Amino acid sequence: GEDVEQSLFLSVREGDSSVINCTYTDSSYTYLYWYKQEPGAGLQLLTYIFSNMDMKQDQRLTVLLNKKDKHLSLRIADTQTGDSAIYFCAERSTSGGYNKLIFGAGTRLAVHP
Amino acid sequence: DTAVSQTPKYLVTQMGNDKSIKCEQNLGHDTMYWYKQDSKKFLKIMFSYNNKELIINETVPNRFSPKSPDKAHLNLHINSLELGDSAVYFCASRRAGGTTDTQYFGPGTRLTVL
Repeated sequence: GEDVEQSLFLSVREGDSSVINCTYTDSSYTYLYWYKQEPGAGLQLLTYIFSNMDMKQDQRLTVLLNKKDKHLSLRIADTQTGDSAIYFCAERSTSGGYNKLIFGAGTRLAVHP
Repeated sequence: DTAVSQTPKYLVTQMGNDKSIKCEQNLGHDTMYWYKQDSKKFLKIMFSYNNKELIINETVPNRFSPKSPDKAHLNLHINSLELGDSAVYFCASRRAGGTTDTQYFGPGTRLTVL
C-alpha cells in the first residue's frame, strides 16, 4: 500500500538552512505536497511538485525530487523562528479511482537563536 | 473571506454524547474531505464527498456519519462519542480536475471527549 515517511524532528540555528526529507512509495505520476502546521493552527499549503519534475523553487523554499529513490526534500533557506512548525509531506493517491492525500507523520522543526 | 471554515473550533463533551462539526468552503470546489489528526499529529483521511456523493469511506466506525447538503458544505455527525474520538478534525476541499490537484484545509476542530 501507499506509505509516506519522514523523520520526526529537526533542530536548526536561525539563519541556517533546514532540509526536511520524505520518502514515498507510489510509483505512478503523482503530485507531492508540503504543508506547514503551526501550533494550534490548520494546514497551510507551502508548495507542491509533480513527479515528472526534479526541482521547484519558490522564494526561500526549494523542493528536490529524486524519482528513482522516491525521495522528496524541502529546503528552507535562511531559516527564521517563524518557520518553527510541523512540516507534512503528502502524496496524492488515486487508488480506487478517487483522490486522497497520504500524509507522512510530520517533521517538527525547531529553530533556535 | 475565509476559504474553508469549520465550526466549532473547540468542542468538549462527555462520553456517549452525540455531536456535529460543520464545514463550509467558498472556493466553488466539487470535492470535500474529512481528515482526523490524532494526538501524535498523524493525519488520516476519513471521508470524501464529490458533488454531494460519498466517494471515500476509509473504514471509519459507523458512529461517524458525514452529510453534504450541498457542494459547499460537508458536516460530520458523531454518535455515542468515545474517548478515542478525541482528536483534531480537519475539513478540506479540492476542485476536481484542477491542474494542481491541491487540497485546501480548514483551521480544524479540536474535539475532546471526557
